Amino acid sequence: EPEVTQTPSHQVTQMGQEVILRCVPISNHLYFYWYRQILGQKVEFLVSFYNNEISEKSEIFDDQFSVERPDGSNFTLKIRSTKLEDSAMYFCASRRDRRNTGELFFGEGSRLTVL
Amino acid sequence: KQEVTQIPAALSVPEGENLVLNCSFTDSAIYNLQWFRQDPGKGLTSLLLIQSSQREQTSGRLNASLDKSSGRSTLYIAASQPGDSATYLCAVCNNNDMRFGAGTRLTVKP
Repeated sequence: EPEVTQTPSHQVTQMGQEVILRCVPISNHLYFYWYRQILGQKVEFLVSFYNNEISEKSEIFDDQFSVERPDGSNFTLKIRSTKLEDSAMYFCASRRDRRNTGELFFGEGSRLTVL
Repeated sequence: KQEVTQIPAALSVPEGENLVLNCSFTDSAIYNLQWFRQDPGKGLTSLLLIQSSQREQTSGRLNASLDKSSGRSTLYIAASQPGDSATYLCAVCNNNDMRFGAGTRLTVKP
């Protein structure tokens, strides 16, 4: 069964370093998302992406964050200069159908630990 | 701003019991509602998706209902099993993002 895959599963970095989290959405999906979950807290929306541009972003998604679809398969989240509070599980998700109606499929997540 | 609340926060039941998890949301202008399961340290597994025009969806021992006008959804689990132990998340879609509840942590004891 097709699935969303994410790498790395766990990354440890020093504060101030750049981090890139990678995702391969399901191949025929058109809408891509990043969410994060700080330990013990709710899953929070970061950004949505469609047709090679950001559709919507939350207040969390500030200038330190960026997303890119560098080729036909990968979807990346970059954190330019990590802070301690960026430590969280980051989930990539994708959706096939037109916006808002289709089922959302999530990857297993990338755990980011900022020291 | 959409707020999603799940009650109870935690639930412990003996194996075989039927149970109901509750989800409420403040903005009824939703496109759909999705229930997920999350095991510790793992990703989110989609269980059921209910479109705004639907009243319920069923998959195996799971049944989810939606009352959009009152801002409520329930997830019914029949004949619970220890393997059902996990956190169950409710998420509602308004615009191009989904808002999640904090989840209900379910423990099914053998």
